[in-house]
Amino acid sequence: EPEVTQTPSHQVTQMGQEVILRCVPISNHLYFYWYRQILGQKVEFLVSFYNNEISEKSEIFDDQFSVERPDGSNFTLKIRSTKLEDSAMYFCAGSQAGEGRFGPGTRLTVT
Amino acid sequence: KQEVTQIPAALSVPEGENLVLNCSFTDSAIYNLQWFRQDPGKGLTSLLLIQSSQREQTSGRLNASLDKSSGRSTLYIAASQPGDSATYLCAVRPGSGNTGKLIFGQGTTLQVKP
Repeated sequence: EPEVTQTPSHQVTQMGQEVILRCVPISNHLYFYWYRQILGQKVEFLVSFYNNEISEKSEIFDDQFSVERPDGSNFTLKIRSTKLEDSAMYFCAGSQAGEGRFGPGTRLTVT
Repeated sequence: KQEVTQIPAALSVPEGENLVLNCSFTDSAIYNLQWFRQDPGKGLTSLLLIQSSQREQTSGRLNASLDKSSGRSTLYIAASQPGDSATYLCAVRPGSGNTGKLIFGQGTTLQVKP
């Protein structure tokens, strides 16, 4: 069964640095999402993406965040200037017929 | 604003017990509801998807029910095994379409003791 993949599995960065988290969605998915989960807290929606455009974003997804689908397969989340509070697991997801399928996540640690 | 609550937050049972995990949501206008399993430090594995028009879904030892009008779903696990130990997350997709975001509950952390 096809799976969503994410790289890297763990990223450590210093405060103020830019990070790019990468995802390869399942090929027949048309809608893509980023979620995050701060340790011990709920999984939170960040942004949804369809047809090369943001379709919805949360209050968390401010100007420091951006998403791209630079080619036909990859889907990226960029954080321009990381803060300590950006430390979390970041999950990429796709949707087909209303079922969410999630990747294994990237653990981002900001020091 | 849609909110999802799961109780209990944690549950510890001996192997072989049948158990029920509860999920409630504040707005009944949902497209579907999905149950996930999350192992420590890992991603989310989809267990069951219930469309708003459905009452229940079954997969192996798992059965999920949905009562949309009362804003409740339950996940029933039969004959629990130590390998079932994980956090179980409930998530609803609000609205009328199949493309919206998922809103998650806090999860129920299950420990099944041998």
